[in-house]
Amino acid sequence: GAVVSQHPSWVICKSGTSVKIECRSLDFQATTMFWYRQFPKQSLMLMATSNEGSKATYEQGVEKDKFLINHASLTLSTLTVTSAHPEDSSFYICSARPTAETQYFGPGTRLLVL
Amino acid sequence: RKEVEQDPGPFNVPEGATVAFNCTYSNSASQSFFWYRQDCRKEPKLLMSVYSSGNEDGRFTAQLNRASQYISLLIRDSKLSDSATYLCVASSGYSTLTFGKGTMLLVSP
Repeated sequence: GAVVSQHPSWVICKSGTSVKIECRSLDFQATTMFWYRQFPKQSLMLMATSNEGSKATYEQGVEKDKFLINHASLTLSTLTVTSAHPEDSSFYICSARPTAETQYFGPGTRLLVL
Repeated sequence: RKEVEQDPGPFNVPEGATVAFNCTYSNSASQSFFWYRQDCRKEPKLLMSVYSSGNEDGRFTAQLNRASQYISLLIRDSKLSDSATYLCVASSGYSTLTFGKGTMLLVSP
């Protein structure tokens, strides 16, 4: 069964609204979770590393004020896309590593901004 | 230069065929390598890790050549259900997974 869940699975919103995506680790605690974004026919690109109890680490070119990450507990990280615009439309995927050797991805959230 | 490069696709093969995917990586500090499978509109799922000695899992064989910074995946006796995009992944540390764009495989009856 799934070890990482995401909610919602898809979102359609108007330009300018904010969208929150939740990522939960099931059956294990994750002090670190990862947020990726994938545009059509492109690679998964790491956006940021979410750290429980501390600030997230953002990859170069990813605006931290645009993509707010909160990792308030050992099983939950949230990504909020603030003031979403059509160019933010993408497939957002989180992941968590229960061990150093394994990484599980959530089912992804498809965001469409009109 | 892209960090992880894969064969362009799609690969169209008949059922039962053997197909090979190639991948090169540019970061010599990469330590771990994986092949992931991604179905359309789904998240990637780990297919197999890749070890220097080469490893096999059923119909799937992965090879790594560190000197050439080259990774391969061989699929024997292709099934219709093998149709997916195969992602080559290199990791240089605990958090950093670098994905290739993926190679699409279409297995036809």
